[in-house]
Amino acid sequence: RKEVEQDPGPFNVPEGATVAFNCTYSNSASQSFFWYRQDCRKEPKLLMSVYSSGNEDGRFTAQLNRASQYISLLIRDSKLSDSATYLCVVINYGQNFVFGPGTRLSVLP
Amino acid sequence: DGGITQSPKYLFRKEGQNVTLSCEQNLNHDAMYWYRQDPGQGLRLIYYSQIVNDFQKGDIAEGYSVSREKKESFPLTVTSAQKNPTAFYLCASSPGTGVGEQYFGPGTRLTVT
Repeated sequence: RKEVEQDPGPFNVPEGATVAFNCTYSNSASQSFFWYRQDCRKEPKLLMSVYSSGNEDGRFTAQLNRASQYISLLIRDSKLSDSATYLCVVINYGQNFVFGPGTRLSVLP
Repeated sequence: DGGITQSPKYLFRKEGQNVTLSCEQNLNHDAMYWYRQDPGQGLRLIYYSQIVNDFQKGDIAEGYSVSREKKESFPLTVTSAQKNPTAFYLCASSPGTGVGEQYFGPGTRLTVT
């Protein structure tokens, strides 16, 4: 089993829709979690950190479920500009960042 | 402005030639990383460095070499031993290994023919 797994998609949704992605991780000792966004042929950029209590940034909400070992990203009121690949990242303290393979989102007009 | 720079953006080489990709950061980060990304694939770790003059192999180090003589710089050499070098190469840094967020440079797209 891979350490970090994501549904590769693509998720094709209309503008204004709500879409959610999950990411599962296998190491129960994982301590830090992030969502990154990567546009086509560009570098990944940090979208948001994921805290135990969950966090929200505008239309984006991230949640952590330690018991089931997954993190989620919810995007409300999708915009065309949200089209990208979303990467989840897991860190075990003092060790390296482990990237999931990414979930591709296409928001359609 | 603080950040990570990579050069060049596009690089073309003939098979059998070594090529060095540049990565510089002015974020005062201790840890630096090199990743490879193939079309439609995730990031794979090539090498990482936690401190000057020290570096460790990642998951796919064969055919690559690195150096870390300065905190700011972490160049990657793609050697002729790398069987399939055409890829998108990303350099990143973080305050420490597995600490804080990782920041990426714009990447170098290497094509070997």
